[in-house]
Amino acid sequence: QKEVEQDPGPLSVPEGAIVSLNCTYSNSAFQYFMWYRQYSRKGPELLMYTYSSGNKEDGRFTAQVDKSSKYISLFIRDSQPSDSATYLCAMMDYGQNFVFGPGTRLSVLP
Amino acid sequence: DAEITQSPRHKITETGRQVTLACHQTWNHNNMFWYRQDLGHGLRLIHYSYGVQDTNKGEVSDGYSVSRSNTEDLPLTLESAASSQTSVYFCATSGANTGELFFGEGSRLTVL
Repeated sequence: QKEVEQDPGPLSVPEGAIVSLNCTYSNSAFQYFMWYRQYSRKGPELLMYTYSSGNKEDGRFTAQVDKSSKYISLFIRDSQPSDSATYLCAMMDYGQNFVFGPGTRLSVLP
Repeated sequence: DAEITQSPRHKITETGRQVTLACHQTWNHNNMFWYRQDLGHGLRLIHYSYGVQDTNKGEVSDGYSVSRSNTEDLPLTLESAASSQTSVYFCATSGANTGELFFGEGSRLTVL
């Protein structure tokens, strides 16, 4: 079993749809949970950052962490064509050990 | 604005040649990382450094080396390039013990 599992997609949705992206993990030592967005031929950029369990909202984006289920989610409301990218979940423990998911490729169709 | 500059952005080389990928940052961050990104594997850590003269091996360090002589630079060297090292390489930095990694634009390496 990989340390972090993420459906690679591709996921295609129409403009305006609600998008749900998910990751599961196996290491209970992870305390910091992140979502990175990566446009084609670019480096990843931090989108959302959460410490421990709970929800965090930033505009159209909501990140959820459920440590009891070892499950994290990213929701995108009113999705736009500019949201088309690969979304990587990432996790870190107190020892600064990062682990990334393989990424989900999202296409938002106009 | 602070940034991370990787060079070259694209390189084609032959098996057995030595290759060095440069990473220069103006964030003044202590922590620097090299990742490779391959389809189906996501980002995998090659080497990392928490400061000058500090270097550590990551998950996939075989065939790679780094050195850190100053805060700004962490060059990645492939001593004898192999076709399995064809990949996109990303340099990243972080300034604190958080999950905020800042990435460069990537270096696409092809080993023939």
